Amino acid sequence: GENVEQHPSTLSVQEGDSAVIKCTYSDSASNYFPWYKQELGKGPQLIIDIRSNVGEKKDQRIAVTLNKTAKHFSLHITETQPEDSAVYFCAASGGGGATNKLIFGTGTLLAVQP
Amino acid sequence: DGGITQSPKYLFRKEGQNVTLSCEQNLNHDAMYWYRQDPGQGLRLIYYSQIVNDFQKGDIAEGYSVSREKKESFPLTVTSAQKNPTAFYLCASSIKWRDTEAFFGQGTRLTVV
Repeated sequence: GENVEQHPSTLSVQEGDSAVIKCTYSDSASNYFPWYKQELGKGPQLIIDIRSNVGEKKDQRIAVTLNKTAKHFSLHITETQPEDSAVYFCAASGGGGATNKLIFGTGTLLAVQP
Repeated sequence: DGGITQSPKYLFRKEGQNVTLSCEQNLNHDAMYWYRQDPGQGLRLIYYSQIVNDFQKGDIAEGYSVSREKKESFPLTVTSAQKNPTAFYLCASSIKWRDTEAFFGQGTRLTVV
């Protein structure tokens, strides 16, 4: 089945700097890659997603890139702000077989220092 | 307002007791999911349902049970057979089973005392 690895587990940046979180997946048939942001005590919320027919997608300060050959995808946050501090999860789904589950990475705790 | 609602937010259970966590959605979504979240382990899938009256075991189903009698409801029962039930439980739904955004509830924190 699908396995998703996420790095780093913690990331501390200064306000205004960029942050990059990387994920790798194992199932080459996966075709949907969402990123979720989770604030303390709340459920995760989708911030951006990408499908396998696209190499890059951008939404204001957030961008995601996908390298299908290497089976990895990354989240880029530019001009970070204190309110970006949260746990970020990557996920992958759409792999082959009867069970098309959304498999999550282990999360990255991002701390933006003012 | 459309959304997915979990209740209660906090739940305390004595060892040996079963407890049921509620999850309701008014988004008209076909698929619903239960995840367990532990520190440093991300989200692990307990059970999922692609459509009403159908559900499948996820990666960590032992000690849990679910039902999907109505499209909008997917309750999770944590039984006494679950060896380490203290965790944060998240319910989610998506419009269809494949490759679409999952909307999460606010979670239920279960503590066994």
